[in-house]
Amino acid sequence: SQTIHQWPATLVQPVGSPLSLECTVEGTSNPNLYWYRQAAGRGLQLLFYSVGIGQISSEVPQNLSASRPQDRQFILSSKKLLLSDSGFYLCAWSTSPTLDEQFFGPGTRLTVL
Amino acid sequence: AQSVTQLGSHVSVSEGALVLLRCNYSSSVPPYLFWYVQYPNQGLQLLLKYTSAATLVKGINGFEAEFKKSETSFHLTKPSAHMSDAAEYFCAVFNNAGNMLTFGGGTRLMVKP
Repeated sequence: SQTIHQWPATLVQPVGSPLSLECTVEGTSNPNLYWYRQAAGRGLQLLFYSVGIGQISSEVPQNLSASRPQDRQFILSSKKLLLSDSGFYLCAWSTSPTLDEQFFGPGTRLTVL
Repeated sequence: AQSVTQLGSHVSVSEGALVLLRCNYSSSVPPYLFWYVQYPNQGLQLLLKYTSAATLVKGINGFEAEFKKSETSFHLTKPSAHMSDAAEYFCAVFNNAGNMLTFGGGTRLMVKP
């Protein structure tokens, strides 16, 4: 069976500090991978998606970046966090090619102070 | 491009009452539609999906949704609400432009005792 992991579960960081959130998927190969953000009181915002190693598509320009160094690893990064980066970050995967559902990880709660 | 609109960001029902969460979609091609549930501080979990088979789709936890092409709707219902149904619910449509889902803004369901 497939599982998706995210860490850390919670993170409190000062403004201007770097960020690295990690997502890994087990039990499948060549998945599509996605990063979403939920800000307080708002819906899901797609940040990045990847259809393969080293292939990243950005949906929203901002101070975040994503990388996919391995087939089942997806990393969300920032060099300098902003207050507005606070939120709940969700990683998801789907089969490739897909017309089907996405499977979500447990999320990371990020608070930028 | 596909899109979804969820009418009502907050819905409150009494325990045992009918749950109705509304979702309307826009799509130039036959859509694939999904309902997800999110409990506090957790990832999204698939409730049910419509992929052009039966128009009445049954999901987990007693939820069901009916695809109505003439109304471009995919409303989520449950005959009798439980306290444990309190959560946020997201409607989504598969986006043919890429391997991604387009989510609605979400509806927070509150269940009163």
